[in-house]
Amino acid sequence: GAGVSQTPSNKVTEKGKYVELRCDPISGHTALYWYRQSLGQGPEFLIYFQGTGAADDSGLPNDRFFAVRPEGSVSTLKIQRTERGDSAVYLCASSPTGLAGLGETQYFGPGTRLLVL
Amino acid sequence: QKEVEQNSGPLSVPEGAIASLNCTYSDRVSQSFFWYRQYSGKSPELIMSIYSNGDKEDGRFTAQLNKASQYVSLLIRDSQPSDSATYLCAVNRDSNYQLIWGAGTKLIIKP
Repeated sequence: GAGVSQTPSNKVTEKGKYVELRCDPISGHTALYWYRQSLGQGPEFLIYFQGTGAADDSGLPNDRFFAVRPEGSVSTLKIQRTERGDSAVYLCASSPTGLAGLGETQYFGPGTRLLVL
Repeated sequence: QKEVEQNSGPLSVPEGAIASLNCTYSDRVSQSFFWYRQYSGKSPELIMSIYSNGDKEDGRFTAQLNKASQYVSLLIRDSQPSDSATYLCAVNRDSNYQLIWGAGTKLIIKP
């Protein structure tokens, strides 16, 4: 596909359950970002991948959150023991080389809307 | 103090008028500044980036940067109803890859 895709588009789960959110970046983009966005807020940085490695996971809220990108393309964000406070839109973005801070455009996916009941 | 601050709005502007959106940031070493537009229920999309003090124009959009005052703004001329959206300001942190985001200003263009 031409853009960043994310699945599922919506996810409803119960408190305590495990969820996986998938991101398929633009082909050839080495940089991949996960953000979380709550209503009325800007995107909150979670983790940044450069290739297969998590170059910066300082935004992950706690050890219930984990993300992988085993082959340097598709990434999965995993949330264990979900809590109601995890409800948000989870956005994935990719960029060609990771120089978003120097002007490289980040291309966002449509997001996954997670609701924890 | 938040790292990137924006007035949440809503900012209501008549169609055809100039909409002025403002953003302040706290990190003096920031070098790159971005304006993203986000329609309701959609993901952010880049409108403009600016790196140097002064104005940068792109069509109906003008970004203005004042590093001494740690202030960046976005002007939208000849506002259209389709400009109604939330406008997010993003600033790079002390890295090449990370952006810090404001909470956004909701803009409403009234026909």
